[in-house]
Amino acid sequence: QSVLTQPPSASGTPGQRVTISCSGSRSNIGSNSVHWYQQLPGMAPKLLMSDDNERPSGVPDRFSGSKSGTSASLAISGLQSEDEADYYCSAWDDSLSGLVFGGGTKLTVL
Amino acid sequence: QVQLVESGGGLVKPGGSLRLSCAASGFAFSDYYMSWIRQAPGKGPEWVAYISRTGMTIFYANSVKGRFTISRDSAKNSLDLQMHSLRVDDTALYYCARAAYGSGIIFDHWGQGTLVAVSS
Repeated sequence: QSVLTQPPSASGTPGQRVTISCSGSRSNIGSNSVHWYQQLPGMAPKLLMSDDNERPSGVPDRFSGSKSGTSASLAISGLQSEDEADYYCSAWDDSLSGLVFGGGTKLTVL
Repeated sequence: QVQLVESGGGLVKPGGSLRLSCAASGFAFSDYYMSWIRQAPGKGPEWVAYISRTGMTIFYANSVKGRFTISRDSAKNSLDLQMHSLRVDDTALYYCARAAYGSGIIFDHWGQGTLVAVSS
């Protein structure tokens, strides 16, 4: 059972907008920034979003992040086939004094 | 360009030990926090430990505390993870990851991982 809760799956058709949620608590998302990673099959995770809504250089602006209270979301607009991947949220947890990841959401582009 | 190359993985019996290494290149190693992150087959990533630029600040996940030791050698640009009392649930692909400049826990570069299998 992961400390951060994500839906196991999400899907959309090309061009659609999809949102992936990440739910936590006061000790993690409620107190600290959320970071998102994209993992393509057979590859290492890649940083997609940092500090709730900051896109690293090279990440398309189709990707956006938001946070409210103890939940965060990753939105992907103009969905493309190459977006099919696993997505993970992460945040520092003050109670655990450690970094926690969500269980991951497998995004399928139909 | 930034390169992180892990080594040292393998098959070990429960209760055994293993030492992982990560060779870093393409950046000023001593300027960055570093971490080990693992991923069990079919599961999400699990952060294992991080070490500050100087090695003075270290944090471990509760699941490995007292069994694993993270260390770094800035002269050799290397990051190590000494693992003792290994358990079956330590089986995973172990990644070396660099934290973004100024951060300890935003990982902007990952290696390709080294596989650790704990089984009798």
